[in-house]
Amino acid sequence: AQSVTQLDSHVSVSEGTPVLLRCNYSSSYSPSLFWYVQHPNKGLQLLLKYTSAATLVKGINGFEAEFKKSETSFHLTKPSAHMSDAAEYFCVVGAGNMLTFGGGTRLMVKP
Amino acid sequence: NAGVMQNPRHLVRRRGQEARLRCSPMKGHSHVYWYRQLPEEGLKFMVYLQKENIIDESGMPKERFSAEFPKEGPSILRIQQVVRGDSAAYFCASSHQRRLAGVEQFFGPGTRLTVL
Repeated sequence: AQSVTQLDSHVSVSEGTPVLLRCNYSSSYSPSLFWYVQHPNKGLQLLLKYTSAATLVKGINGFEAEFKKSETSFHLTKPSAHMSDAAEYFCVVGAGNMLTFGGGTRLMVKP
Repeated sequence: NAGVMQNPRHLVRRRGQEARLRCSPMKGHSHVYWYRQLPEEGLKFMVYLQKENIIDESGMPKERFSAEFPKEGPSILRIQQVVRGDSAAYFCASSHQRRLAGVEQFFGPGTRLTVL
């Protein structure tokens, strides 16, 4: 069995400041971990994925995430937020046939 | 190279009617997944299909819901006798091989079903 907990349902940052979206997971297997972004009324776009290679994963649009097995965490970060980053972000664990989604974190970016 | 296509994008049904949601996977993909997203929630897995086969339907409600992925044509998610609680966004995803660790699923734009 696997599960994902996104610790913050809403995060608000000012443009140009760092972003941290937190994610903890549990999995019976060696998991694959993903971050997806969903803009309003749009589908999901993959930001990055971890598949047991390097623990620091770089994704699109300047995002990156670090896999920490001891903490069962996979937090998403970005050094400097942009207005276009405002969206819903989902941490996802994959194993076997399915993806299990966290509840999502809504990122708001203030000018 | 078109991505995953879903239609309709918006669907309104009255209680008791049937809803049919269609999904065309990315070119070359033979694995299709359906997810449901209730308001203010994450996506929940419903069913995983390969051409002409249901591989995993552990997330499908036992009644009124069915899915197929025929040899020719799109995958169809069918909801019979819809109720208000079926109102949600339904997303389809596809992948180019059986879902293993690390294989990315590509998502469509979703169908937003509203039941009046």
